[in-house]
Amino acid sequence: NAGVTQTPKFRVLKTGQSMTLLCAQDMNHEYMYWYRQDPGMGLRLIHYSVGEGTTAKGEVPDGYNVSRLKKQNFLLGLESAAPSQTSVYFCASSYSIYEQFFGPGTRLTVL
Amino acid sequence: QQPVQSPQAVILREGEDAVINCSSSKALYSVHWYRQKHGEAPVFLMILLKGGEQKGHDKISASFNEKKQQSSLYLTASQLSYSGTYFCGTEAGTDKLIFGTGTRLQVFP
Repeated sequence: NAGVTQTPKFRVLKTGQSMTLLCAQDMNHEYMYWYRQDPGMGLRLIHYSVGEGTTAKGEVPDGYNVSRLKKQNFLLGLESAAPSQTSVYFCASSYSIYEQFFGPGTRLTVL
Repeated sequence: QQPVQSPQAVILREGEDAVINCSSSKALYSVHWYRQKHGEAPVFLMILLKGGEQKGHDKISASFNEKKQQSSLYLTASQLSYSGTYFCGTEAGTDKLIFGTGTRLQVFP
């Protein structure tokens, strides 16, 4: 089993560009999450999903959109990237509100 | 609102003990603890459910005081492998975790 995978691992964007981060899990988990991690800020929840076709806002949703069209995939979109979105992005999945399994992360730099 | 973790950083020698605290202003259903090593993803350590239980994982244990909305992580006889940043995640019946800002633990020989 691959667990949770994230694509891409690294990305550099210019201000105003758009991109999509892909998270995939093969554990048949219902719950999936997107976090961003910045120095000194810990992990902050952007959006999450408790099942296929559902999404909900987390602590810091502004500037991001998500979609969960398939149970195993959770997409995070940035429509118009800003330097403040420079961060490490982690995806996680879980069976209900229990142990979360994290992907390896995507390091995004917005110039 | 993020839970508050203390201390922000701890430096230990191998074999010493440490306690990391996590405090929330909300009524909690559960508290989760994770460890993240530098450059890696967070890894689950344990979950404590409402009821004041205490759990253990090798020489790492934790307690949850639901009345005070506080949890503590106890690291006993620390090992080099314990180094990393520890995060508590609090859950208030909303299907999501809110993580604290982390406690950086460094263990030296």
